[in-house]
Amino acid sequence: AQKITQTQPGMFVQEKEAVTLDCTYDTSDPSYGLFWYKQPSSGEMIFLIYQGSYDQQNATEGRYSLNFQKARKSANLVISASQLGDSAMYFCAMREGGTNAGKSTFGDGTTLTVKP
Amino acid sequence: DTGVSQDPRHKITKRGQNVTFRCDPISEHNRLYWYRQTLGQGPEFLTYFQNEAQLEKSRLLSDRFSAERPKGSFSTLEIQRTEQGDSAMYLCASSILGAPNEKLFFGSGTQLSVL
Repeated sequence: AQKITQTQPGMFVQEKEAVTLDCTYDTSDPSYGLFWYKQPSSGEMIFLIYQGSYDQQNATEGRYSLNFQKARKSANLVISASQLGDSAMYFCAMREGGTNAGKSTFGDGTTLTVKP
Repeated sequence: DTGVSQDPRHKITKRGQNVTFRCDPISEHNRLYWYRQTLGQGPEFLTYFQNEAQLEKSRLLSDRFSAERPKGSFSTLEIQRTEQGDSAMYLCASSILGAPNEKLFFGSGTQLSVL
């Protein structure tokens, strides 16, 4: 079974509008972390935001926020006030386990295009 | 902080040849990861090191692949007897064990083309 599912291969958004990128995950481990990374066309993956499984509040980092719904096992990324530079591929990832957890598992990504 | 460095950026090789890639992580990072990414897919985990110890290797990884991190600093990934299916972007990432969210810092990758 897929551990990370991103059901939107591509998304379009108008500049200055908000957009939500979907991510669902599958784990039986009570301790896990969820990440979103951005990969521009230049290739280098950049960390955006993190949510821990025990965190009570949804994570926010500037224009990025994570809509964490634990019971539904979803961790959607919300980008507010989209900018042309937000056009990129976005990956949701999960690392299972506690402090010594190892690898992260990635979804297949969503390509976001911001229209002027 | 000079970031994660990978060399070479691009490698073209003929089927059956051996190739080796190098990754220099951020200097204070004790964890180093190798991932493979094909077009339109997410990164696929290959292996990771904590200091010089290789702690996990993907079951999908054939025995043609080997990785080392001899002194707990840089790492090399070798692919022996390359096949066309090995063509992909090979990504290296590093992190600090125990950091608050232990996010990954990625390099720019090595694009391998096997002819």
